[in-house]
Amino acid sequence: GENVEQHPSTLSVQEGDSAVIKCTYSDSASNYFPWYKQELGKRPQLIIDIRSNVGEKKDQRIAVTLNKTAKHFSLHITETQPEDSAVYFCAAIEGYSTLTFGKGTMLLVSP
Amino acid sequence: KAGVTQTPRYLIKTRGQQVTLSCSPISGHRSVSWYQQTPGQGLQFLFEYFSETQRNKGNFPGRFSGRQFSNSRSEMNVSTLELGDSALYLCASSSAGEGTGELFFGEGSRLTVL
Repeated sequence: GENVEQHPSTLSVQEGDSAVIKCTYSDSASNYFPWYKQELGKRPQLIIDIRSNVGEKKDQRIAVTLNKTAKHFSLHITETQPEDSAVYFCAAIEGYSTLTFGKGTMLLVSP
Repeated sequence: KAGVTQTPRYLIKTRGQQVTLSCSPISGHRSVSWYQQTPGQGLQFLFEYFSETQRNKGNFPGRFSGRQFSNSRSEMNVSTLELGDSALYLCASSSAGEGTGELFFGEGSRLTVL
């Protein structure tokens, strides 16, 4: 089955800095890679996703890049704000709708 | 449109008991997945149902089971509870029958096993 590794497990940045979270996956057949944000005590919510036919996707301050050859994808957050503090999960799809998640990155943005 | 609804939100059980959790997906969504979330292991896939059929199953013991009804509502059951089953159980629904669709999560059912 699919295996997703995510790094780092915690990331502390100052407000205004950029943050980068990296993930690798094992199944070359995976073709969909979403990122979820989970604030404390809340449900995970999709913030951005990328499909295997695209190398990069941006949405305001967040972007995701995908390298299919190396089987890794990354989340980039620019101009971080305190409200970006949360746990971020990367995932890769397996089969029809099964997502295999990384273990998460706790992002702390200090004012 | 109402979101994914899970009941109960919190429950406390003792070892050896069994528990049933319920999930109502977003109207029109036919795929329902269940995940177990724990601090050390993150989100781990339990199973996925589509049109009342289990389409995929994660690496959990047979004590964990589920089903889906004709209205797409789903239940999961854990029998003979163990302390290690304490976790947040998240249900997610999707509209995509063939995959690569966004998963919409419920608030979860937090199970504590004493």
